[in-house]
Amino acid sequence: DTVLTQSPDFQSVTPNEKVTITCRASQSIGSSLHWYQQKPDQSPRLLIKYTSQSISGVPSRFSGSGSGTDFTLTINSLEAEDAAVYYCHQSRSLPHTFGQGTKLEIK
Amino acid sequence: EVQLVESGGGLVEPGGSLRLSCAASGFTFSNVWMSWVRQAPGKGLEWVGRVKSKTNGVTTDYAAPVKGRFTVSRDDSKNMLYLQMNSLRSEDTAMYYCTTHPGGGQIDNWGQGTLVTVSS
Repeated sequence: DTVLTQSPDFQSVTPNEKVTITCRASQSIGSSLHWYQQKPDQSPRLLIKYTSQSISGVPSRFSGSGSGTDFTLTINSLEAEDAAVYYCHQSRSLPHTFGQGTKLEIK
Repeated sequence: EVQLVESGGGLVEPGGSLRLSCAASGFTFSNVWMSWVRQAPGKGLEWVGRVKSKTNGVTTDYAAPVKGRFTVSRDDSKNMLYLQMNSLRSEDTAMYYCTTHPGGGQIDNWGQGTLVTVSS
């Protein structure tokens, strides 16, 4: 199975900061890496697909980059509403797997 | 607007069975691959299994922990997705989400989830 390891597990940030979350795959997954946001007591929401492709309705401050085994989710100019857990997900091979999640706390 | 509404969750004893349902609307259900994803209380996301569209043979794939115990199926005439869960274990306790999973890539849409608790 492809293991996805996110870092950090937890980050406390202030509004307007730039945040970077990384996701490392245990083997190459090309660009088949997607990012989700899950707010408390809500279902996850797709933020970025295939490493860097934007999703309609998602604020432009969310962006993704990377390839192979190393990927990054960047949130520019963080807002209070971005407090959530963020997950990466690979669809290159079965079984599909998710990272353990990164919890963002807004100071 | 895409809507996915799960039902059928509840409390079941270890070794028991449960069938989850998902009513889909707002898109052409028959064309879309569908997956179940679960989340144990306070834990991360785990992909459970998927069913491809009729065009792709309605084939299914499963995660190792549920293979042989769970079955994903679909009824395109009713726009319904199902998850038959047998031989349930305490570690199957989780919120189960119905999701659209076009072509097996990104997971586009998620339902609100239905909670399954396996306990005596």
